[in-house]
This record gives sequence, structure tokens and C-alpha cells, in this order.
Amino acid sequence: ETGVTQTPRHLVMGMTNKKSLKCEQHLGHNAMYWYKQSAKKPLELMFVYNFKEQTENNSVPSRFSPECPNSSHLFLHLHTLQPEDSALYLCASSQGQNAEKLFFGSGTQLSVL
Amino acid sequence: KQEVTQIPAALSVPEGENLVLNCSFTDSAIYNLQWFRQDPGKGLTSLLLIQSSQREQTSGRLNASLDKSSGRSTLYIAASQPGDSATYLCAPLSNTGKLIFGQGTTLQVKP
Repeated sequence: ETGVTQTPRHLVMGMTNKKSLKCEQHLGHNAMYWYKQSAKKPLELMFVYNFKEQTENNSVPSRFSPECPNSSHLFLHLHTLQPEDSALYLCASSQGQNAEKLFFGSGTQLSVL
Repeated sequence: KQEVTQIPAALSVPEGENLVLNCSFTDSAIYNLQWFRQDPGKGLTSLLLIQSSQREQTSGRLNASLDKSSGRSTLYIAASQPGDSATYLCAPLSNTGKLIFGQGTTLQVKP
């Protein structure tokens, strides 16, 4: 266990559904990240939060909506997704935003039908 | 824009072999470089972190080197074992604070 917990582990949703991914870290870190990992592509940074404030939005479509209520929790709200959004969504945390050392969760494997 | 390339994309070796995974990056203005391991369908585990001022880091059977000026890093795995089978990812941290990942090298070590 890395101290970063993601739920659910697997999610299947239709294009009209609304769902949320949850990430929780027990490491006392101040920065949290969402990454997307598609098949045969490098990890793509989606969002960065530092002390609950969003500091990076890597041109992510608005159908992905992050929420960071406190430094320990991070959500990714999903709405009207497309099949090409099917991927492994990884949450990570670090002590500071410069990502000196990242700790990753196990990810949520998302399938959009 | 930083681009990271890892060669080879896949590698299959018999148990006991020593092997080298290669990583190259286009922008040498980096703070550090990390090597990660990812098991299928799982998250990433940080293996080694080399600061930009360092030439190499060692952890057990793993040794990572960094040649910042030429934009290259290698991960050396000694006496490979079936448990080493995984995808290995290289990620330099740019001066803008972004961690950019390569596509990875998928390693299979056969008993």
C-alpha cells in the first residue's frame, strides 16, 4: 500500500451517466494529481491541486470536473463521457507541488460504453 | 515541449540476465528524473530518483544513470528475476514543475 487509495477500482458507465472517482491520501501531502493512462500512450497529467487550490488544468475537457474539498481528498466527477475516455485514471500525491516524489494509487479502470 | 522516448518498447529475457532500459528526453533543463515500475492494471511505484546534479543512483539490483547534457538516462537491472516483469517508466521533472512520462518499456523475465 502506498498510502493513496482510489475507489472504485473498476467502473463501467454509459455515455449519459454521471459518476465520480474518489482518491484519498493518508500521507499528509499537500499536492494531489489526476493522471490519465490510455492504452499505448504515456501518462497524461490532467489536474494538479496544491493546498486545495487548482494550479494546473492541462486542457482537459469540461466533461471531467475535479473537486478537492481538503488536502487529503480528491474527486473526479464524470459526465457525458465518450468511449475514447476509457482509460486507467490514476491519482497521486506529493509533499509539495514540484512533485519531488510522487505516490500513486492503484487507479480506476474506466470503461465508457 | 519535453518529449520522452523509451527504448525498447518491450523486452523479453531469460531469468538471470543483466539488462539495460533506455530513456531519452529532449529538454535537458530538468530538476530530476525518476524511474517508476507499473504492474498490469496498477498504479506506479517510484524506484529511483536522480537529482540533476547526480550521475547515478543505486537501489539493490537496480542502478540508474543520468547524463543530463545529452538527455539520456538508463536503468540497469542486474540478475533479472521473474518478479521484475512489469512496465518501467522514465519521467524527468522539468523546470516548469511538470513530470513528463515516457511510454514505458514492458519487461518480461522468463523462468
